[in-house]
Amino acid sequence: QKEVEQNSGPLSVPEGAIASLNCTYSDRVSQSFFWYRQYSGKSPELIMSIYSNGDKEDGRFTAQLNKASQYVSLLIRDSQPSDSATYLCAVPISGSARQLTFGSGTQLTVLP
Amino acid sequence: SQTIHQWPATLVQPVGSPLSLECTVEGTSNPNLYWYRQAAGRGLQLLFYSVGIGQISSEVPQNLSASRPQDRQFILSSKKLLLSDSGFYLCAWSVHRDYGYTFGSGTRLTVV
Repeated sequence: QKEVEQNSGPLSVPEGAIASLNCTYSDRVSQSFFWYRQYSGKSPELIMSIYSNGDKEDGRFTAQLNKASQYVSLLIRDSQPSDSATYLCAVPISGSARQLTFGSGTQLTVLP
Repeated sequence: SQTIHQWPATLVQPVGSPLSLECTVEGTSNPNLYWYRQAAGRGLQLLFYSVGIGQISSEVPQNLSASRPQDRQFILSSKKLLLSDSGFYLCAWSVHRDYGYTFGSGTRLTVV
């Protein structure tokens, strides 16, 4: 089983809609979770981190964590064409104090 | 504030030629440093990471090597490039995995 799994997509939503991106992880003791956004041809950019069960909101972005079910999601409200990118989920590698493992990413396209 | 510099941005090299990519971090001490490669349309592949000067861990057997001659300098090298070495090379740093990684702007390498 992969440590982090994401739907590869592509996911298309109309402008103004809510985009929902999901990530499941295998290590039950993971304590920190991250969402990165990667525009085509650019490097990944950290957009959200979450450490506790529940929701964390930052502007139009909401990260949701459910440790019991081992999933973390990212909601993008009022999606804009500028949100079109690949979104990567990252969690710590089991047994490593220094490494994150990244999902393969979900490609999101927001249609104007 | 901390910044990470990576250069060059793009590079076209012939098969069999050497490679040297450099990454430096400013504004922090003793960072964890990482080299990733991303093939076109693919996920992130961890190549090397370093927790201190001269300390290099290799994740994937390959045609590449890494060195850390100074605390905030990380170098990726190859003696003879292969076509399969083409990709997007990303350097990243962290103080602790629980704070996530920050990526440099990347080097797009094309081996011809």
